[in-house]
Amino acid sequence: KAGVTQTPRYLIKTRGQQVTLSCSPISGHRSVSWYQQTPGQGLQFLFEYFSETQRNKGNFPGRFSGRQFSNSRSEMNVSTLELGDSALYLCASFLGLAGSYNEQFFGPGTRLTVL
Amino acid sequence: EDKVVQSPLSLVVHEGDTVTLNCSYEVTNFRSLLWYKQEKKAPTFLFMLTSSGIEKKSGRLSSILDKKELFSILNITATQTGDSAVYLCAFSAGGTSYGKLTFGQGTILTVHP
Repeated sequence: KAGVTQTPRYLIKTRGQQVTLSCSPISGHRSVSWYQQTPGQGLQFLFEYFSETQRNKGNFPGRFSGRQFSNSRSEMNVSTLELGDSALYLCASFLGLAGSYNEQFFGPGTRLTVL
Repeated sequence: EDKVVQSPLSLVVHEGDTVTLNCSYEVTNFRSLLWYKQEKKAPTFLFMLTSSGIEKKSGRLSSILDKKELFSILNITATQTGDSAVYLCAFSAGGTSYGKLTFGQGTILTVHP
């Protein structure tokens, strides 16, 4: 079974630009969660999508947004990039069935550098 | 506020040693606790512990959950250099927090040959 894939793996942008990251979950998984990882703040939850709907959201500004498609693939977008957005962005895939215990499996991440 | 605290923050051992990593948590609606190993890139899933599964073991790694005292430990016996990594503990809460994992800061384990 193929794992979680993320594209691109590396990205360099300048302040003020916007960026779109993509995540393809494990086949059969319907939920995708996104996380930001930085040396100072560690791993922080951005949002989670299930069946094309945002089900949960972390404490990030509105510049961070996402969506999910009917095939469960997800994208996240960051607009008006700031230097502090430089981070490793991870997505995690899981079954997402309410009422069940779902392990989350992570993709390799996208390393975003904002200059 | 829900939170996770891991200790120690870093640990240096020699091959063959046994290590114990600690994770304490405060959460209003606990659902499960997860351990991950992170080397260069993505965290790799190790264990998930719930009310119905408070002990897990896989090879040299084992973990227990104490729901009363609100902590978990991860044990690694006969450590190898390949065990060098950051070990992350996270919990999942129920209710409206479904799908969100709250992570601790991690324990950096270094195993010397």
